[in-house]
Amino acid sequence: GQQVMQIPQYQHVQEGEDFTTYCNSSTTLSNIQWYKQRPGGHPVFLIQLVKSGEVKKQKRLTFQFGEAKKNSSLHITATQTTDVGTYFCAGHRAGNNRKLIWGLGTSLGVNP
Amino acid sequence: KAGVTQTPRYLIKTRGQQVTLSCSPISGHRSVSWYQQTPGQGLQFLFEYFSETQRNKGNFPGRFSGRQFSNSRSEMNVSTLELGDSALYLCASSEGLGSPNEQFFGPGTRLTVL
Repeated sequence: GQQVMQIPQYQHVQEGEDFTTYCNSSTTLSNIQWYKQRPGGHPVFLIQLVKSGEVKKQKRLTFQFGEAKKNSSLHITATQTTDVGTYFCAGHRAGNNRKLIWGLGTSLGVNP
Repeated sequence: KAGVTQTPRYLIKTRGQQVTLSCSPISGHRSVSWYQQTPGQGLQFLFEYFSETQRNKGNFPGRFSGRQFSNSRSEMNVSTLELGDSALYLCASSEGLGSPNEQFFGPGTRLTVL
C-alpha cells in the first residue's frame, strides 16, 4: 500500500498567498525528491534532498527534509498562476533504496 | 541531449485487444520505469528495467508486461485490455538504479479503451 502520504490532496489559494504541502513516510528515506506536473503535462524533477534536516531554496520555493528523514515539505512564498499544478514527493527507502516510493500528490490551484 | 520520447502519444483500442507502448530514454540512461496515471490516483508504479532486466515491479496483474533492449529502449505491453486500463502511461528514465537518481519523464501515451 501507499507508504508516503501527502497532504493536502487539493488546495486553492489567492495569488500572492503562501502554500505548503507536506510529505510523510512510514519508513526512513535515504532521499526525497520533488516533482511538478503542470495540467496536461508530465512530472518534471524539481529538487532532491539527501541530508537529515536539509533545506534548499529555489527562488520562491523552499524544500525541507526532516531530521528523522521521514518527512518533507515544500513551501511556496507568494504564489503565482505559474505555480498551478500537482506537486509530487518521492523517496527511496533507506536500506532498500532501489524502489522509488511516490506520494499521491498535492494539486494546487491559484486564483488570479 | 534529447529528452525521453514515447510513442505513440495517443491510442484508442477496444476491450480485449492488446497494445504495445514504446519508450526511448535519454542517451546514457540505463534505467527505465513505467507508470500508470489516472485522475486522483497519482502515479502508480508498473515496473523498472535496468540493463535489460526487470528490477522492480508494482502491483499490477500479469496482463501488464515489459521489456528492455540492449540500447536501453523499453516497451510495455498490455494484453486483453479492460475499460479500466484507460490512462496516461508515463515512462521515466534515470542514469542508474535507485538512490539518488532522479527521474526524467516522457510526455506519456494517452490510452483510451472503448
